[in-house]
Amino acid sequence: AQSVTQLDSQVPVFEEAPVELRCNYSSSVSVYLFWYVQYPNQGLQLLLKYLSGSTLVKGINGFEAEFNKSQTSFHLRKPSVHISDTAEYFCAVSDNNNDMRFGAGTRLTVKP
Amino acid sequence: NAGVTQTPKFRILKIGQSMTLQCTQDMNHNYMYWYRQDPGMGLKLIYYSVGAGITDKGEVPNGYNVSRSTTEDFPLRLELAAPSQTSVYFCASSPTGTDINSPLHFGNGTRLTVT
Repeated sequence: AQSVTQLDSQVPVFEEAPVELRCNYSSSVSVYLFWYVQYPNQGLQLLLKYLSGSTLVKGINGFEAEFNKSQTSFHLRKPSVHISDTAEYFCAVSDNNNDMRFGAGTRLTVKP
Repeated sequence: NAGVTQTPKFRILKIGQSMTLQCTQDMNHNYMYWYRQDPGMGLKLIYYSVGAGITDKGEVPNGYNVSRSTTEDFPLRLELAAPSQTSVYFCASSPTGTDINSPLHFGNGTRLTVT
Protein backbone atom coordinates (compact mmCIF):
# COMPACT_ATOMS: atom_id res chain seq x y z
CA ALA A 1 0.00 0.00 0.00
CA GLN A 2 1.05 3.56 -0.52
CA SER A 3 2.31 5.70 2.34
CA VAL A 4 3.16 9.31 3.09
CA THR A 5 5.84 10.86 5.29
CA GLN A 6 5.69 14.48 6.30
CA LEU A 7 9.17 15.38 7.37
CA ASP A 8 8.36 18.22 9.76
CA SER A 9 5.78 18.04 12.53
CA GLN A 10 5.98 21.77 13.23
CA VAL A 11 7.12 24.72 11.14
CA PRO A 12 7.26 28.17 12.75
CA VAL A 13 7.78 31.08 10.38
CA PHE A 14 7.45 34.85 10.45
CA GLU A 15 4.75 36.65 8.50
CA GLU A 16 5.68 37.46 4.86
CA ALA A 17 8.49 34.88 4.88
CA PRO A 18 8.50 31.97 2.41
CA VAL A 19 7.65 28.49 3.61
CA GLU A 20 8.09 24.92 2.39
CA LEU A 21 6.30 21.94 3.93
CA ARG A 22 7.91 18.68 2.94
CA CYS A 23 6.16 15.49 1.88
CA ASN A 24 7.56 12.20 0.59
CA TYR A 25 5.47 9.30 -0.63
CA SER A 26 5.95 5.67 -1.54
CA SER A 27 3.84 3.61 -3.91
CA SER A 28 4.25 0.85 -6.44
CA VAL A 29 1.54 2.21 -8.73
CA SER A 30 0.53 5.53 -10.19
CA VAL A 31 -0.93 7.75 -7.53
CA TYR A 32 -2.80 10.95 -7.01
CA LEU A 33 -1.28 13.43 -4.58
CA PHE A 34 -3.10 15.96 -2.47
CA TRP A 35 -2.50 18.66 0.10
CA TYR A 36 -5.28 19.41 2.59
CA VAL A 37 -5.44 22.19 5.20
CA GLN A 38 -7.18 21.99 8.57
CA TYR A 39 -8.04 25.14 10.48
CA PRO A 40 -8.76 24.84 14.23
CA ASN A 41 -11.95 22.92 15.08
CA GLN A 42 -12.75 22.29 11.43
CA GLY A 43 -12.53 19.46 8.96
CA LEU A 44 -9.95 19.25 6.20
CA GLN A 45 -10.21 21.35 3.03
CA LEU A 46 -8.49 20.61 -0.27
CA LEU A 47 -5.61 22.95 -1.13
CA LEU A 48 -4.41 21.35 -4.35
CA LYS A 49 -4.06 18.06 -6.17
CA TYR A 50 -1.81 16.38 -8.71
CA LEU A 51 -2.44 13.58 -11.19
CA SER A 52 -0.20 14.12 -14.19
CA GLY A 53 1.02 16.81 -16.53
CA SER A 54 2.87 19.84 -15.27
CA THR A 55 4.87 19.04 -12.17
CA LEU A 56 4.07 22.42 -10.64
CA VAL A 57 0.54 22.57 -9.28
CA LYS A 58 -1.11 25.75 -8.10
CA GLY A 59 -3.76 25.70 -5.41
CA ILE A 60 -5.88 28.08 -3.39
CA ASN A 61 -4.60 30.85 -1.10
CA GLY A 62 -1.36 31.25 -3.07
CA PHE A 63 0.00 27.78 -2.31
CA GLU A 64 1.74 25.60 -4.88
CA ALA A 65 3.36 22.20 -4.85
CA GLU A 66 5.96 20.52 -7.01
CA PHE A 67 5.84 16.86 -7.90
CA ASN A 68 9.26 15.24 -8.18
CA LYS A 69 9.00 11.64 -9.35
CA SER A 70 12.69 10.80 -8.98
CA GLN A 71 12.70 11.96 -5.37
CA THR A 72 9.10 10.78 -4.71
CA SER A 73 8.33 14.14 -3.18
CA PHE A 74 5.42 16.57 -3.29
CA HIS A 75 6.53 19.59 -1.27
CA LEU A 76 4.14 22.47 -0.60
CA ARG A 77 5.37 26.06 -0.90
CA LYS A 78 4.16 29.61 -0.47
CA PRO A 79 6.39 32.61 -1.25
CA SER A 80 4.93 34.87 1.46
CA VAL A 81 2.78 33.61 4.32
CA HIS A 82 0.11 35.42 6.30
CA ILE A 83 -1.06 35.02 9.88
CA SER A 84 -4.24 33.44 8.48
CA ASP A 85 -2.18 30.57 7.02
CA THR A 86 -1.63 29.23 10.55
CA ALA A 87 -3.14 25.73 10.38
CA GLU A 88 -2.28 22.07 10.10
CA TYR A 89 -1.40 20.79 6.64
CA PHE A 90 -1.77 17.20 5.50
CA CYS A 91 -0.21 15.53 2.51
CA ALA A 92 -2.20 12.59 1.13
CA VAL A 93 -1.80 9.93 -1.55
CA SER A 94 -4.50 7.87 -3.23
CA ASP A 95 -4.30 4.95 -5.62
CA ASN A 96 -7.87 5.64 -6.82
CA ASN A 97 -9.02 2.55 -5.00
CA ASN A 98 -10.68 4.35 -2.09
CA ASP A 99 -7.48 3.95 -0.11
CA MET A 100 -6.32 7.50 0.60
CA ARG A 101 -3.42 7.62 3.05
CA PHE A 102 -2.66 10.76 5.00
CA GLY A 103 0.60 11.94 6.47
CA ALA A 104 0.88 12.78 10.16
CA GLY A 105 0.47 16.49 9.44
CA THR A 106 2.64 19.61 9.71
CA ARG A 107 1.54 22.39 12.01
CA LEU A 108 2.40 25.73 10.41
CA THR A 109 2.55 28.65 12.82
CA VAL A 110 2.92 32.11 11.33
CA LYS A 111 4.23 34.68 13.78
CA PRO A 112 3.88 38.48 13.43
CA ASN B 1 -25.89 24.08 1.48
CA ALA B 2 -24.84 22.33 4.69
CA GLY B 3 -22.31 19.87 3.16
CA VAL B 4 -21.26 17.16 5.63
CA THR B 5 -22.79 17.43 9.11
CA GLN B 6 -21.54 15.48 12.10
CA THR B 7 -23.19 15.16 15.50
CA PRO B 8 -22.39 15.39 18.32
CA LYS B 9 -19.41 17.77 18.38
CA PHE B 10 -18.13 16.41 21.69
CA ARG B 11 -18.86 13.32 23.77
CA ILE B 12 -17.42 11.68 26.87
CA LEU B 13 -18.05 7.96 27.30
CA LYS B 14 -17.27 5.53 30.08
CA ILE B 15 -15.43 2.33 29.21
CA GLY B 16 -17.86 -0.27 27.91
CA GLN B 17 -20.59 2.18 26.90
CA SER B 18 -21.84 2.34 23.34
CA MET B 19 -22.74 5.24 21.09
CA THR B 20 -23.40 6.21 17.51
CA LEU B 21 -21.66 9.05 15.74
CA GLN B 22 -23.98 10.56 13.17
CA CYS B 23 -22.97 11.78 9.73
CA THR B 24 -25.21 13.14 7.01
CA GLN B 25 -24.48 14.84 3.71
CA ASP B 26 -26.78 16.77 1.40
CA MET B 27 -24.63 16.71 -1.76
CA ASN B 28 -25.96 13.38 -3.08
CA HIS B 29 -22.46 11.90 -2.90
CA ASN B 30 -22.19 8.15 -3.37
CA TYR B 31 -18.96 7.70 -1.42
CA MET B 32 -18.70 8.26 2.32
CA TYR B 33 -15.84 7.68 4.74
CA TRP B 34 -15.05 7.61 8.44
CA TYR B 35 -11.59 8.62 9.60
CA ARG B 36 -10.07 8.96 13.05
CA GLN B 37 -7.40 11.55 13.74
CA ASP B 38 -4.87 11.00 16.50
CA PRO B 39 -2.09 13.46 17.39
CA GLY B 40 1.02 12.90 15.29
CA MET B 41 -0.67 10.08 13.36
CA GLY B 42 -2.64 11.84 10.64
CA LEU B 43 -5.96 10.40 9.59
CA LYS B 44 -6.68 6.68 9.49
CA LEU B 45 -9.58 5.24 7.49
CA ILE B 46 -12.01 3.22 9.62
CA TYR B 47 -14.78 2.28 7.16
CA TYR B 48 -16.07 3.53 3.85
CA SER B 49 -19.12 3.10 1.66
CA VAL B 50 -19.45 3.34 -2.11
CA GLY B 51 -23.24 3.62 -2.03
CA ALA B 52 -26.36 2.79 -0.07
CA GLY B 53 -26.25 -0.78 1.22
CA ILE B 54 -22.51 -1.22 0.60
CA THR B 55 -19.79 -0.82 3.21
CA ASP B 56 -16.18 -1.95 3.49
CA LYS B 57 -13.38 -1.95 6.04
CA GLY B 58 -10.58 0.56 5.98
CA GLU B 59 -7.24 0.52 7.71
CA VAL B 60 -8.45 0.45 11.36
CA PRO B 61 -11.98 -1.07 11.54
CA ASN B 62 -11.72 -3.04 14.80
CA GLY B 63 -14.16 -1.91 17.48
CA TYR B 64 -16.44 -0.09 15.04
CA ASN B 65 -19.46 -0.85 12.89
CA VAL B 66 -21.20 1.10 10.15
CA SER B 67 -24.37 0.97 8.09
CA ARG B 68 -25.51 2.83 4.98
CA SER B 69 -29.26 2.54 4.55
CA THR B 70 -29.58 5.82 2.64
CA THR B 71 -27.31 7.89 0.40
CA GLU B 72 -27.37 10.74 2.92
CA ASP B 73 -26.50 8.98 6.19
CA PHE B 74 -23.47 6.98 7.30
CA PRO B 75 -23.51 6.42 11.09
CA LEU B 76 -20.51 4.98 12.94
CA ARG B 77 -21.22 2.78 15.97
CA LEU B 78 -18.95 1.99 18.89
CA GLU B 79 -20.31 -1.02 20.78
CA LEU B 80 -17.93 -1.33 23.73
CA ALA B 81 -15.98 1.89 24.09
CA ALA B 82 -12.32 1.58 25.04
CA PRO B 83 -9.75 4.26 25.96
CA SER B 84 -7.92 3.51 22.70
CA GLN B 85 -10.93 4.92 20.86
CA THR B 86 -10.36 8.37 22.31
CA SER B 87 -9.85 10.41 19.16
CA VAL B 88 -11.33 12.97 16.81
CA TYR B 89 -13.59 11.35 14.24
CA PHE B 90 -14.16 12.83 10.80
CA CYS B 91 -16.79 11.88 8.29
CA ALA B 92 -16.16 12.70 4.64
CA SER B 93 -17.94 12.28 1.33
CA SER B 94 -17.10 12.49 -2.36
CA PRO B 95 -18.97 12.03 -5.63
CA THR B 96 -16.85 9.28 -7.17
CA GLY B 97 -14.23 8.09 -4.68
CA THR B 98 -10.75 9.31 -3.81
CA ASP B 99 -9.67 10.17 -7.33
CA ILE B 100 -8.24 13.35 -8.75
CA ASN B 101 -11.60 14.80 -9.74
CA SER B 102 -13.32 13.94 -6.51
CA PRO B 103 -11.82 15.63 -3.47
CA LEU B 104 -13.10 14.65 -0.07
CA HIS B 105 -15.57 16.96 1.68
CA PHE B 106 -15.10 16.75 5.43
CA GLY B 107 -17.38 17.40 8.36
CA ASN B 108 -16.15 19.41 11.34
CA GLY B 109 -15.42 16.35 13.45
CA THR B 110 -16.59 14.69 16.65
CA ARG B 111 -14.20 14.77 19.60
CA LEU B 112 -14.68 11.58 21.64
CA THR B 113 -13.10 10.86 25.01
CA VAL B 114 -13.38 7.42 26.63
CA THR B 115 -12.50 7.26 30.33
